Amino acid sequence: KAGVTQTPRYLIKTRGQQVTLSCSPISGHRSVSWYQQTPGQGLQFLFEYFSETQRNKGNFPGRFSGRQFSNSRSEMNVSTLELGDSALYLCASRGLFHNEQFFGPGTRLTVL
Amino acid sequence: DQQVKQNSPSLSVQEGRISILNCDYTNSMFDYFLWYKKYPAEGPTFLISISSIKDKNEDGRFTVFLNKSAKHLSLHIVPSQPGDSAVYFCAASEDGATNKLIFGTGTLLAVQP
Repeated sequence: KAGVTQTPRYLIKTRGQQVTLSCSPISGHRSVSWYQQTPGQGLQFLFEYFSETQRNKGNFPGRFSGRQFSNSRSEMNVSTLELGDSALYLCASRGLFHNEQFFGPGTRLTVL
Repeated sequence: DQQVKQNSPSLSVQEGRISILNCDYTNSMFDYFLWYKKYPAEGPTFLISISSIKDKNEDGRFTVFLNKSAKHLSLHIVPSQPGDSAVYFCAASEDGATNKLIFGTGTLLAVQP
């Protein structure tokens, strides 16, 4: 069974630009979450989607948004990028009868 | 406010010995706890979990202990192997049905051959 895939793996943007990251969950998983990992703040929850609906949101500004499609694939968007948005963005999926989340390899975003 | 804390940023252990990684939490609403292992340039890999109704869960070389009164959990790895060298994160959630995990800051485990 293929794992969680994220594209692109690496991305370089400049301040003020916007970016869209993509995540494909494990086949059959309908729940997708996004996390941000930075050296200063560690791993922080961004948001969670289930069946195209946002179920939960972390403490991030409105510049961070996401969505989920009917095939469970998810995207997250960051608008008006700031230097502090440089981070590893991780996507995780979860099956209906599992408590654990399975993470993808992440997208490394660098904002210059 | 750090709700989940891993006070040891690093730990070094000899191969074959026991590794004990510790985690403390402050939120009494947490009812589900997980441990993840992370290698550089990879996403976290799930290791083991425990519900608040239990005080111990075992899976092969990995055992997680939960002490609810002390708001403390620990991960025991026996015997430790060089391949276990990685960063270990504990995580907690208020509701096992949701995905919102609060992570600790991680402990870098180095298992020396």
